[in-house]
Amino acid sequence: AQTVTQSQPEMSVQEAETVTLSCTYDTSESDYYLFWYKQPPSRQMILVIRQEAYKQQNATENRFSVNFQKAAKSFSLKISDSQLGDAAMYFCAYRNNDMRFGAGTRLTVKP
Amino acid sequence: EAGVAQSPRYKIIEKRQSVAFWCNPISGHATLYWYQQILGQGPKLLIQFQNNGVVDDSQLPKDRFSAERLKGVDSTLKIQPAKLEDSAVYLCASTNPGQGYEQYFGPGTRLTVT
Repeated sequence: AQTVTQSQPEMSVQEAETVTLSCTYDTSESDYYLFWYKQPPSRQMILVIRQEAYKQQNATENRFSVNFQKAAKSFSLKISDSQLGDAAMYFCAYRNNDMRFGAGTRLTVKP
Repeated sequence: EAGVAQSPRYKIIEKRQSVAFWCNPISGHATLYWYQQILGQGPKLLIQFQNNGVVDDSQLPKDRFSAERLKGVDSTLKIQPAKLEDSAVYLCASTNPGQGYEQYFGPGTRLTVT
């Protein structure tokens, strides 16, 4: 069974600084998708960034980028120039036939 | 484009009662998911529909949970009878497989079982 592990229950970053959230996963598949979702206190899950496993190039979306290491089964999220609105729970997710989520990392942004 | 709609937003029931949740996905999205998110955890997939057929219900506690999507559009998730451990947020999501597997989530229903 595929599992997703987020080893950092909580992280904190100063506004305008950079923070990296960690994620590892376990799979025997070679073709899959990886995602980072953001869940603010309002509860609506929002997609932050997506990575296809067959692509070697790391995905980037404005201030958000990933470091995808397929051999190591690692998929970290880097948030640059952190903003107060980035404060939320962040979930790493793996998708092949179904979707598996990690336990989440609560990110606090200090002004 | 309207998002995924869910109702009710909040529900409080006593154990052994029954409850039903409703979800209306984004128009045209063939795939619909129900997740259970217990406080402090990530969402856990309960059931996945493709149109009106079940694709995956391996993690659905079938002795008390049931779900249907009769016309391949909106869906209902039912719990009967509820247990204390069913207290959670129930999330509905939908996707169009041709759009790269991104799932669009509704606001969720927070269930409290007392």
